[in-house]
Amino acid sequence: GESVGLHLPTLSVQEGDNSIINCAYSNSASDYFIWYKQESGKGPQFIIDIRSNMDKRQGQRVTVLLNKTVKHLSLQIAATQPGDSAVYFCAENRANNAGNMLTFGGGTRLMVKP
Amino acid sequence: DSGVTQTPKHLITATGQRVTLRCSPRSGDLSVYWYQQSLDQGLQFLIQYYNGEERAKGNILERFSAQQFPDLHSELNLSSLELGDSALYFCASSVDVSARNSPLHFGNGTRLTVT
Repeated sequence: GESVGLHLPTLSVQEGDNSIINCAYSNSASDYFIWYKQESGKGPQFIIDIRSNMDKRQGQRVTVLLNKTVKHLSLQIAATQPGDSAVYFCAENRANNAGNMLTFGGGTRLMVKP
Repeated sequence: DSGVTQTPKHLITATGQRVTLRCSPRSGDLSVYWYQQSLDQGLQFLIQYYNGEERAKGNILERFSAQQFPDLHSELNLSSLELGDSALYFCASSVDVSARNSPLHFGNGTRLTVT
C-alpha cells in the first residue's frame, strides 16, 4: 500500500543514470543530517548521515553533500537501479534543543524507469 | 530488516474507541521514538522515551499517551479516536538518548484506520 503523501515532488530517472535529490533546511543550528529511504508499505530506512563539520560523505553508491552556507543538503545515487524507487526524506537534528528528535522534510519520490 | 518490531500491522476501529500500538526496539537500544505519518503532513514526531523515562515531546495530542516498560518495549495509546487520527504510526529506536549521536532505526509501522 501507499506510504506517504499525494503531493510529493517527483524525480524520474532512467536506470543506470545518476540521481540527485535535494533538501533545504531552515535552521542554521542544525548539526546532524540523515537521509532515509521509504519504500511502499515499509518504514523509513537509514541510508547515510553527515555532521555539520563535514561537507561530503560517501557510502555505497550514495554521496551526501552539505552546503551550510545556503542550508542545502543533497543525496546523490550513482547508477540508479529499479530497487532505488522509493520516497527519500532528509532529516535534521537541531543543536539548540535537547537533541532528542529528528525533524523530517516533506520527501521526494524517486521513480526509476527501466 | 531494521530490528524494530511493531504490532499490529493494521488496525481498523471506530471513532471514539481506544487502541494500543506496540513497539519492540532493536536489541541494545534504549531510546524509543513515536512518529505519525499522515498523507498531508509527512512524518511528525510525537514522543520519545529513554530507558523508561519520557525525554521529549512533540505535537502529541492529550488523547494520546505512551510508556516504555522495564524490558524497553513501548506502547502508544490512542483514545477517543477521531477520523483524522487515521495514519501510519512508526516507532523508531536508537542506542543513545540523543538523536544527534546515533541514527534512528524505524519499524514498518502500524496503519490505523478510524471509520
